Amino acid sequence: DAGVIQSPRHEVTEMGQEVTLRCKPISGHNSLFWYRQTMMRGLELLIYFNNNVPIDDSGMPEDRFSAKMPNASFSTLKIQPSEPRDSAVYFCASSVQGATEAFFGQGTRLTVV
Amino acid sequence: GESVGLHLPTLSVQEGDNSIINCAYSNSASDYFIWYKQESGKGPQFIIDIRSNMDKRQGQRVTVLLNKTVKHLSLQIAATQPGDSAVYFCAENPPALVFGKGTRLSVIA
Repeated sequence: DAGVIQSPRHEVTEMGQEVTLRCKPISGHNSLFWYRQTMMRGLELLIYFNNNVPIDDSGMPEDRFSAKMPNASFSTLKIQPSEPRDSAVYFCASSVQGATEAFFGQGTRLTVV
Repeated sequence: GESVGLHLPTLSVQEGDNSIINCAYSNSASDYFIWYKQESGKGPQFIIDIRSNMDKRQGQRVTVLLNKTVKHLSLQIAATQPGDSAVYFCAENPPALVFGKGTRLSVIA
């Protein structure tokens, strides 16, 4: 298995632009998580899905952030409009529901200038 | 102005020595406590977990200790190797893992 696949690996965009981050979870996993990592705030949970349904989005910072999971093999995290303070590494992770072991992707390093 | 970054505690250990990384948790209701390792440029990776009704669990070269009285968790790494250099996070509970701030382990060869 290729593990959790995130794209792009790096994204540089101008303030105000829309950014879409993509994630393909491990086949057979039914929980998917989006995390954001910054030096200031560490590793923060943004949202997670069970069986494609959003369960807890309390970590999503603002209405500018939205996440979807249209099917079991794909999820997106969208930021519109993007701001410099959104610059961070965004991780997607997947697991079997309720498991302690979540598998993380390599992350997307987002820079908003 | 200059931003103040998150100051990670750092533990420097001589290669071959044992390492002990500590973590304080807040949620007494957590069912599981978990340790993750994050190497530079990579996502966090599961190391070991411990159920809340246990006080010790051993893995390969690692041991996790749980003290619920003082809400303290520790990770012991035996015979630390250069490949153990990373940031170590404790985390609470599925379904969604809540991570602590992390400790940077630096192994001196």
